[in-house]
Amino acid sequence: DTGVSQDPRHKITKRGQNVTFRCDPISEHNRLYWYRQTLGQGPEFLTYFQNEAQLEKSRLLSDRFSAERPKGSFSTLEIQRTEQGDSAMYLCASSLGTGPRADTQYFGPGTRLTVL
Amino acid sequence: SQKIEQNSEALNIQEGKTATLTCNYTNYSPAYLQWYRQDPGRGPVFLLLIRENEKEKRKERLKVTFDTTLKQSLFHITASQPADSATYLCALDRDTDKLIFGTGTRLQVFP
Repeated sequence: DTGVSQDPRHKITKRGQNVTFRCDPISEHNRLYWYRQTLGQGPEFLTYFQNEAQLEKSRLLSDRFSAERPKGSFSTLEIQRTEQGDSAMYLCASSLGTGPRADTQYFGPGTRLTVL
Repeated sequence: SQKIEQNSEALNIQEGKTATLTCNYTNYSPAYLQWYRQDPGRGPVFLLLIRENEKEKRKERLKVTFDTTLKQSLFHITASQPADSATYLCALDRDTDKLIFGTGTRLQVFP
């Protein structure tokens, strides 16, 4: 257990519904990352925060996706109008850093999303 | 575009042998290369990091090499054990927090 927690662990939803996932990072970590992983592939970077500021967003993050970290602690990832192609494992990671590159990223267990 | 290749087929080896996994990359000049372990249904776990100016790094039974000329990293597990069975991912970055992962190689160690 790395100390990063994600909720829920599994989510099954119907196409067109909105879903929201939560990530709680390691308490002293100021950076938080979201990745998406499909079966047989490695994780793909989506976005990351330093404290409450969202510093970078991947082109993978369409307009239907939004991430927040309002108080610089936990983060939420919302997907609106889900599509079957959104089915994946959504991973959260956290790290401690001040420069352009932070320390090691510690991953949570992920939230597996299935869109029917 | 950047491309990271790892053996897509599973690597099956006998307990006690050395497992060697390969990570090749193109169209990229990473400053750092990392190896992670991932078990089914769980998030990746960091194992080792090697910098572009380092040739080799060791940690217990693990060894990583980094050849920036060949654009390749090798990951070795010596005296492998069934508990080492997992998927191993390499990840690269160019001095940013945006990790680029390979597809991973599944290792199966048989008793």
